[in-house]
Amino acid sequence: GAVVSQHPSWVICKSGTSVKIECRSLDFQATTMFWYRQFPKQSLMLMATSNEGSKATYEQGVEKDKFLINHASLTLSTLTVTSAHPEDSSFYICSARTYRGKLGKLFFGSGTQLSVL
Amino acid sequence: AQKITQTQPGMFVQEKEAVTLDCTYDTSDQSYGLFWYKQPSSGEMIFLIYQGSYDEQNATEGRYSLNFQKARKSANLVISASQLGDSAMYFCAMREGLTGTASKLTFGTGTRLQVTL
Repeated sequence: GAVVSQHPSWVICKSGTSVKIECRSLDFQATTMFWYRQFPKQSLMLMATSNEGSKATYEQGVEKDKFLINHASLTLSTLTVTSAHPEDSSFYICSARTYRGKLGKLFFGSGTQLSVL
Repeated sequence: AQKITQTQPGMFVQEKEAVTLDCTYDTSDQSYGLFWYKQPSSGEMIFLIYQGSYDEQNATEGRYSLNFQKARKSANLVISASQLGDSAMYFCAMREGLTGTASKLTFGTGTRLQVTL
């Protein structure tokens, strides 16, 4: 089945540094990828929609300059948390859409736990 | 208003028994898709089952079935013959519009299922 690889699975960083999270579709081309954020014991909140070759579309309340998204190829999207602060500590997860199989099936990466000290 | 409502924050079920996880949704679209995902403690999101708004039959995938009642706007997940490995967080999600671009999902708040011996 389709696989989405997300890296790293966890990262600890100092306040003020930037962290890059990669999301790769391993066996399919993903024209659209999504980035979600999840606080402990809460639902996933969509942060942004990433389309290959164009600027990402951010959800209301998500700072574009803080969460930089790049979707340079059909198999790779990156989320960079710039100048991270402790309140950015969260679980980040990406998903990619494939048209194979049932229409609209999304596959998720395994997530990245970010801890900002 | 909540687009996806999961009223059960937690559920217990005995091993080998069946369990129903509730999900109601709100949309004015005629075309939409409903999803269930499983999130174990590791954090990854595992796709379980999909139901399109125009699908006449209730979706089934192995031990998972979706009790789709369109008039009531409910899409309950039924897990038969529960196993200890089913213990996880379960999210109901909806995508409005069957075709087109972003295919972004709106998630419910989740139900934590605990399977006991």
